[in-house]
Amino acid sequence: EIVMTQSPATLSVSPGERATLSCRASQSVSSNLAWYQQKPGQAPRLLVFGASTRATGIPGRFSGSGSGTEFTLTISSLQSEDFAVYYCQQYNNWPPFTFGPGTKVDIK
Amino acid sequence: EVQLVESGGGLVQPGRSLRLSCTASGFTFGDFAMSWVRQAPGQGLEWVGFIRSEAYGGTTEYAASVKGRFTISKDDSKTIAYLQMNSLKTEDTAVYYCAQNRRDGYKLYYIDYWGQGTLVTVSS
Repeated sequence: EIVMTQSPATLSVSPGERATLSCRASQSVSSNLAWYQQKPGQAPRLLVFGASTRATGIPGRFSGSGSGTEFTLTISSLQSEDFAVYYCQQYNNWPPFTFGPGTKVDIK
Repeated sequence: EVQLVESGGGLVQPGRSLRLSCTASGFTFGDFAMSWVRQAPGQGLEWVGFIRSEAYGGTTEYAASVKGRFTISKDDSKTIAYLQMNSLKTEDTAVYYCAQNRRDGYKLYYIDYWGQGTLVTVSS
């Protein structure tokens, strides 16, 4: 089973600043990685698939990069609606599909 | 607009059974694989299981934690996916989400749309 880790666990950022979230896989997942955003009391929402392709309707300030075992989600200029928990998930070697533990982005 | 609406959650005693439903609309249900993902209170996301579309055999995959206890099925004519949960344990307490999977190449699927979830509480 591929284990996903994310860092940091919590990221405190001021509105308008850049946020960089990291995700690491225990073995290569090629580019078969997705990022999801979850706000309190809501379902997750797909942001990025294929490591770097934004999902439909996702603003350009979200960008994903990486391949193999190291991945990054960057939010170029944080808006108030971006404060949430972000999960990465690999779909290269499955079952099982595995998620990272999440990074909480909160207001500094 | 894709909509996924889960139902059937509630309070159930350990060892008992429960069936969740996921009613889909806004897309050609039979063309898509579906997943169930759960989230224990205050915790992260855990994939539960997956069912392929009929075009790919309609076969299922499960997480080790539920294999042999949970069964996923789908009725394409009714556009409903089901999660039958037997021999429930207290550690199965979670919000259960159904989700649409989209193909991203050979044997590659990512989760695209999610329902709002239904809470299952397993307690005596």
